[in-house]
Amino acid sequence: QKEVEQNSGPLSVPEGAIASLNCTYSDRGSQSFFWYRQYSGKSPELIMSIYSNGDKEDGRFTAQLNKASQYVSLLIRDSQPSDSATYLCAVSSSGSARQLTFGSGTQLTVLP
Amino acid sequence: DAGITQSPRHKVTETGTPVTLRCHQTENHRYMYWYRQDPGHGLRLIHYSYGVKDTDKGEVSDGYSVSRSKTEDFLLTLESATSSQTSVYFCAIRQDMGATEAFFGQGTRLTVV
Repeated sequence: QKEVEQNSGPLSVPEGAIASLNCTYSDRGSQSFFWYRQYSGKSPELIMSIYSNGDKEDGRFTAQLNKASQYVSLLIRDSQPSDSATYLCAVSSSGSARQLTFGSGTQLTVLP
Repeated sequence: DAGITQSPRHKVTETGTPVTLRCHQTENHRYMYWYRQDPGHGLRLIHYSYGVKDTDKGEVSDGYSVSRSKTEDFLLTLESATSSQTSVYFCAIRQDMGATEAFFGQGTRLTVV
């Protein structure tokens, strides 16, 4: 069973702080890694993708990947109340259809 | 908006009845997926398709079947709905092997009573 594990949360941070979300995965053949944001009652929205080791920055978001440790993280700088949502880590399988396996999500609350 | 429409958006049905959910895309993407989302379980893959008439099972396929007779439509059928199938169902699409991002529809909230 290929697994994706996220820190269970919920996570609360004050406005302006850095929120750190973590994810580990079991399939060493995984090629692609994603972070989705999901507001309550809405569908998941892709916010970051990362394919190679290291950091990838997009605005206030930084994704970090370490394939040797099978670890992916998402940092949100200058957190805003609008960042309050559930963040889902997803890993693309090494199978032919590259289906995504998701973690159970971390609920983030940014306190004003 | 990734050009994905799910229907219906909400449905209440009785135990034992068949139910079909529809996912329609306007992007001509090859890969389509059905997930269910339940509290504490995240998103779990039910079935997926890699082309017209080409489908395969995911991790929670029991009690579900799918069909894809056209590129744009991917149907999920609950043969005989049970209360354990009460969930939110999401369809996702992906362009091809080189494009790995998946985009989701709005979801269908299904309640089996």
